[in-house]
Amino acid sequence: GQQLNQSPQSMFIQEGEDVSMNCTSSSIFNTWLWYKQDPGEGPVLLIALYKAGELTSNGRLTAQFGITRKDSFLNISASIPSDVGIYFCAGQPRTGANSKLTFGKGITLSVRP
Amino acid sequence: GAGVSQSPSNKVTEKGKDVELRCDPISGHTALYWYRQRLGQGLEFLIYFQGNSAPDKSGLPSDRFSAERTGESVSTLTIQRTQQEDSAVYLCASSLVGSSTEAFFGQGTRLTVV
Repeated sequence: GQQLNQSPQSMFIQEGEDVSMNCTSSSIFNTWLWYKQDPGEGPVLLIALYKAGELTSNGRLTAQFGITRKDSFLNISASIPSDVGIYFCAGQPRTGANSKLTFGKGITLSVRP
Repeated sequence: GAGVSQSPSNKVTEKGKDVELRCDPISGHTALYWYRQRLGQGLEFLIYFQGNSAPDKSGLPSDRFSAERTGESVSTLTIQRTQQEDSAVYLCASSLVGSSTEAFFGQGTRLTVV
């Protein structure tokens, strides 16, 4: 089936640094999503991307829908301690009632104060 | 309620027992999803309900797993004869009009099979 690749599994950065995460697939997706999961919580949607080449920001977060439609990246600028968590990318192959999300394995982000 | 509610939040069960996990979706959300998250893994799709359509059960890993939904409200995920490999967090999400993109997740049920 379709798989999304996120690596590395863990990232460690210093508070104030920028960090970029990539998500790739061998299949084309029509929608790319980025979620964050805090411990003991469900994933929360950060950014949704719907068009190839689209660049969208949400505060310190910026995400882009790759032109090939097979990748996306998420950038966090000026990281703060509360950015700690697991970041998942997810893709939706087509719109419609039966379009299920495919999730990557996630990247665990640690921020050193 | 304001969000997706799942119960129990934690469940420890003995191998071989049956368990039922409950999900209360956001009021008015016609679509409901169950996902499984093993430790260190991404989210694994289990089953999808949309309105009165037949559910998409393509993600259920075995016939020990089943789920029901009453209309557009509560859903229960049942695991029969639990095995240790069933230990995971089970997440429920709901959305409007069957589009996954605006799915809102519950806090999950952490199932431990001992």
